[in-house]
This record gives sequence, C-alpha cells and structure tokens, in this order.
Amino acid sequence: QVQLKESGPGLVQPSQTLSLTCTVSGFSLTSYHVHWVRQPPGKGLEWMGVMWSDGDTSYNSALKSRLSISRDTSKSQVFLKMSSLQTEDTATYYCARDRAEIPTFDYWGQGVMVTVSS
Amino acid sequence: DVVLTQTPPTLSATIGQSVSISCRSSQSLLDSDGDTYLNWLLQRPGQSPQLLIYSVSNLESGVPNRFSGSGSETDFTLKISGVEAEDLGVYYCMQATHAPLTFGSGTKLEIK
Repeated sequence: QVQLKESGPGLVQPSQTLSLTCTVSGFSLTSYHVHWVRQPPGKGLEWMGVMWSDGDTSYNSALKSRLSISRDTSKSQVFLKMSSLQTEDTATYYCARDRAEIPTFDYWGQGVMVTVSS
Repeated sequence: DVVLTQTPPTLSATIGQSVSISCRSSQSLLDSDGDTYLNWLLQRPGQSPQLLIYSVSNLESGVPNRFSGSGSETDFTLKISGVEAEDLGVYYCMQATHAPLTFGSGTKLEIK
C-alpha cells in the first residue's frame, strides 16, 4: 500500500539548516510527484515545494532562497533542506503524494514536528 | 498568489445536521486545460490532512457520499449532508491551478 514517512531532527538551532527525508513505498518517484507542506502549531497549511516525477523541482517563492528539494529514486526518498532557520519555521512538516494526472494530494505522511530553538 | 477565503471560520453542528463551507478564490481557478483544480481536505485532530474532494466535485475513493463539492471559477462549496461525529476537524480548500499551490485558512467543524 502507499505510504510516506517523514524523518528528521525534532530540534534545530536558529540559523542552522534543516534536513528532512520523506521515504515512500507502494509507488515510484518516477511516476508521481511528491510535495512538501508545512503547518505551524495551531495554524494553516503552507505549500513549500515539489519534486516532480521527472526530477525537476519547483519552490514557493517565499522560501526559494533557503529551500532545496532532491531525491534518491533507488532508495525511494525525497529530501528537503532549508537553511537559515528561524523560530517562525517551527512547524510540522509533511510530504504528500500528488496524483499527477490530477494535481491533488491523495496520500500524506504522518508529519514530523520541527522546533527551532536555542 | 491566489488567496482562498473560507467562511465561516468555525461551524458548530449537531449530528445529522447538514452544513456548508464556502471557499472563494481571488482568481478564477479554471485551468487552460478546461479543468478546475480546487480540492477539499479534512484534518482531524492530531492527524494529517486527508483528501475528500478533488477537481471541485469528485469524491475521493473511500470518502462517504455525504460529502459533496460544487462551484466554478471563483466560488466553491463543500456540503456535508448529515454530519457525523467523525466529521469533526478542520476543513481546508486548496487550489492547484496556479503556482504556487495555496490553501484556505480553514474551517473548524465542532460537534454540539
């Protein structure tokens, strides 16, 4: 069955770089797109960026200067790196599968909570 | 960026009551390919969001048919015909027609 699972550090210091991994199963990264979405505590959802099935990427312009998304198809993993973290980057980070032919998020990971604090 | 305005922000309903949530877009969500990429998600307390409706009115597999979506261009509605206890949570509309993808601010459904 389709699964996505985020992993990474729960605590990051201000100004440091966040590295997260989304490990997927039940589908191929070369057939589906994978997005990153984040949610600050008690707030709404923010789209961060996407790893397209062809290996290309797109980013939210508000985060583009700090964000990088990559993948390892052999390991079925998509990576997120975001630099210069600040307290306002404290959030739950989700990866989600995009159905591709109809852009929508049909499967989501459980999310990983990241706190930015010294 | 496309702004999606959801109303009401909070909704209180009794079991069996029918309710509607509105999502208004700052731009038409009709894509050049003729489709309209407006989706509805539900985030239950402590859980990840889940897809309910895609492309305005298409019910995602496994989602009860008491959920329905309608609308066009800039005005969209999610209707729940007969609320059940498991429907509590925050409902989000989301558009994928224009980059960047954006979400509404959410509507919290409470059960009386």
